[in-house]
This record gives sequence, structure tokens and C-alpha cells, in this order.
Amino acid sequence: NAGVTQTPKFQVLKTGQSMTLQCAQDMNHEYMSWYRQDPGMGLRLIHYSVGAGITDQGEVPNGYNVSRSTTEDFPLRLLLAAPSQTSVYFCASSDRQGHEQYFGPGTRLTVT
Amino acid sequence: EDKVVQSPLSLVVHEGDTVTLNCSYEVTNFRSLLWYKQEKKAPTFLFMLTSSGIEKKSGRLSSILDKKELFSILNITATQTGDSAVYLCAVEAGSNSGYALNFGKGTSLLVTP
Repeated sequence: NAGVTQTPKFQVLKTGQSMTLQCAQDMNHEYMSWYRQDPGMGLRLIHYSVGAGITDQGEVPNGYNVSRSTTEDFPLRLLLAAPSQTSVYFCASSDRQGHEQYFGPGTRLTVT
Repeated sequence: EDKVVQSPLSLVVHEGDTVTLNCSYEVTNFRSLLWYKQEKKAPTFLFMLTSSGIEKKSGRLSSILDKKELFSILNITATQTGDSAVYLCAVEAGSNSGYALNFGKGTSLLVTP
């Protein structure tokens, strides 16, 4: 199993550009989530999904969209990138809520 | 608003010392508390606690939860330089459409030779 994979590993965007961060897992996990990690702020939940077709907002959803058309994939879209979105983004999955989450390797995003 | 507070924020110890990391929480509909270790990359899972008073142990690491006083501790005995990392506490709590993980800011531990 590859576990949780994320692409790209690094990305630089200009303000106002859009992009999609990809996340995939091959463990048939129902629960997937996106976090951002900023210095001194810990991990903050952006969006999460409890299964295909179901998504919900976390603590810091503004500026981000998600969809979950398949169990395996959970892409995160930035529609109009802003410097405040400069961060490290982690995707995670678990077989159900309340269980250990497996994290992807992260995407380091810089918005100039 | 759900809150998870870790203390101390950072700690420097010598190899062989024992350390105790703290995590207190105020959340709605508590479900579980998890500890993760983060070195330079993604967090890796250490423990999940759901019941009060039951210690989880793995080698030199152990953790216990007190649901009445709303806190957990993570103990590391006989520390080694490889224990240097950020230790994250996360609490799974209920929301309108399910449960979400709320992370604390982490405790940065440095173990010196």
C-alpha cells in the first residue's frame, strides 16, 4: 500500500492564481481530511469528508473548496490564492471517525 | 469554541531524563484523544485514548487520560536524542455532521546528548 499520497510536494503561486492540491489513499478509508500547519499554530482543520459525496467545513474553510467523488481521492482547491494561504498542507485519512488518522507527506505552498 | 491546550510549548532535557507533556481540552461531545509525534515531516500516530484511567504504553512512552479533569499526559522515560520532535495532542469532538480532530499547538521537545 502506498498509504496517503499528496502532490505536489512544493508549489509557488502568485496572488490570485488557482490550483488544486491532490490527495489520494489506497486503504479504502471512509474518512479524509485536510489540515494546514503554520508556525506556532499547530494543525488546523480546513475541510473533511466522512465518505464519498459528503464533505463538511472545519475550523478554517474560507478560500478553499473540496469535493469527494470517489473514496480514494479528496482534492483541495484554492480558487484565488492569497499570501495568507502560505502554509504546509497535510491530507489525512482513517477507516472511520475516532480511529488513528494516517497523514500524507505534506505540500509546502508559498503564495507571493 | 473547542479548545486544546498543550504545555509546555517547548522543553529541553538531557538524555536519560524523564519528561511529562500535558494536554488539556474543552470540547463538545468528546470522543477520543490522540497523541502524535512529528519530526520533520508528517505526524505519526502514538496513542489513542477513549477511557479514563487506562494507561496506554509503548516502550518508553506512556499516556493516560482523565475525562473528569479533561486532560491527558504523555510520559517519556529514559529520553534519547531520537525522541526530539514536536508532540501533538488532538481531541476528536462532535460537530453537526460528524466528528473532527482539534489539534493543540504542540510541545517541541529537544533531547540533548
